[in-house]
Amino acid sequence: DAGVTQSPTHLIKTRGQQVTLRCSPKSGHDTVSWYQQALGQGPQFIFQYYEEEERQRGNFPDRFSGHQFPNYSSELNVNALLLGDSALYLCASSSGTHKNIQYFGAGTRLSVL
Amino acid sequence: AQSVTQLDSQVPVFEEAPVELRCNYSSSVSVYLFWYVQYPNQGLQLLLKYLSGSTLVESINGFEAEFNKSQTSFHLRKPSVHISDTAEYFCAVSRMGNTGKLIFGQGTTLQVKP
Repeated sequence: DAGVTQSPTHLIKTRGQQVTLRCSPKSGHDTVSWYQQALGQGPQFIFQYYEEEERQRGNFPDRFSGHQFPNYSSELNVNALLLGDSALYLCASSSGTHKNIQYFGAGTRLSVL
Repeated sequence: AQSVTQLDSQVPVFEEAPVELRCNYSSSVSVYLFWYVQYPNQGLQLLLKYLSGSTLVESINGFEAEFNKSQTSFHLRKPSVHISDTAEYFCAVSRMGNTGKLIFGQGTTLQVKP
């Protein structure tokens, strides 16, 4: 039974570029949440997708957007990258009936130069 | 809004010694509480959770945490640590109900020395 999978594992971009990160939830899960973890910090909630709609959003600018597909996988898009966007981006999946019990992927390490 | 404070950024301890990692939270509503562990270059693994019922919760690898509502705390303990327990530990809270937004503390680095 595959857990939460994220791709790519590492990514290097330059300022102003756009990036897309991908996540496949754990089997049986239909809810995907995205978090940003800066170096030495705890994860911060970006947004959550359920039934292909953004259900909740944290304190992140509109440059951060997402999408959920019918198979429950999800993408995180970040436009106009800033140096401060360098972080580990974590995807977490959960079931629709227990959204609070979340299982995390290994993350995508984004470096913005 | 909820917030989480992990009182120690680093906790060094010798192997086979007991350890306590402290977590306090602030919330105007009832909450669920979680501990996650993060090994180097990996994602977060759910260690244990408090949703309701007994205030003492245990994990399969010997950790336990106790929910103390009056002190708004959810400290993590282990009676005897191993070298393999060296990792970053995060306390998290979410408001009660099926919301799914986790608020994390800054993390505590547990360093187990031989």
